[in-house]
Amino acid sequence: GDSVTQMEGPVTLSEEAFLTINCTYTATGYPSLFWYVQYPGEGLQLLLKATKADDKGSNKGFEATYRKETTSFHLEKGSVQVSDSAVYFCALAYSGAGSYQLTFGKGTKLSVIP
Amino acid sequence: NAGVTQTPKFQVLKTGQSMTLQCAQDMNHNSMYWYRQDPGMGLRLIYYSASEGTTDKGEVPNGYNVSRLNKREFSLRLESAAPSQTSVYFCASSDGRASTGGTDTQYFGPGTRLTVL
Repeated sequence: GDSVTQMEGPVTLSEEAFLTINCTYTATGYPSLFWYVQYPGEGLQLLLKATKADDKGSNKGFEATYRKETTSFHLEKGSVQVSDSAVYFCALAYSGAGSYQLTFGKGTKLSVIP
Repeated sequence: NAGVTQTPKFQVLKTGQSMTLQCAQDMNHNSMYWYRQDPGMGLRLIYYSASEGTTDKGEVPNGYNVSRLNKREFSLRLESAAPSQTSVYFCASSDGRASTGGTDTQYFGPGTRLTVL
């Protein structure tokens, strides 16, 4: 079945450092790919998505490019802030039984220190 | 526009007790989902409802039942709670129906933190 593997955390960075969180996937066909973010005590929020190969999703300074050849969707940000401290989930969507389903990675906790 | 709402926010149960978690969405979405989140496990799908009147099992359905009351509401019931059901439960919705070209983005509620003693 479809699966998502993302780098294990926790990741601790200083403010203004460069961030990369790796995500690779296994899927049949060409699923949409997502990054969701979960701030402490809250639900998941969509951060960005890409629906086809070579698409780049971007939001709030975060970017990720759908790479079919390496089956990857790595999350990057050039300069992190303390407010970016959260858990980040990579996910893929597949179609089944009349609705889309999401398969999630296990999450990567990011802590940004001043 | 409240999005996805869940009640209660917190709950403590004793082993063997029952309870129902409530979820409602005001986005006129067709599909609704229940997940559980456990440390180091990511989110796992319990049940989902592709449309009003239909429900299907996800990855971890044992010990749970669901009801799609109407298009807005989707409840999750624990008939006889067990300590293994201690978790954070999230409801989500989307307008995603593959057959009608809907989008696949899911929108999540704030979660219910459940402890079973």
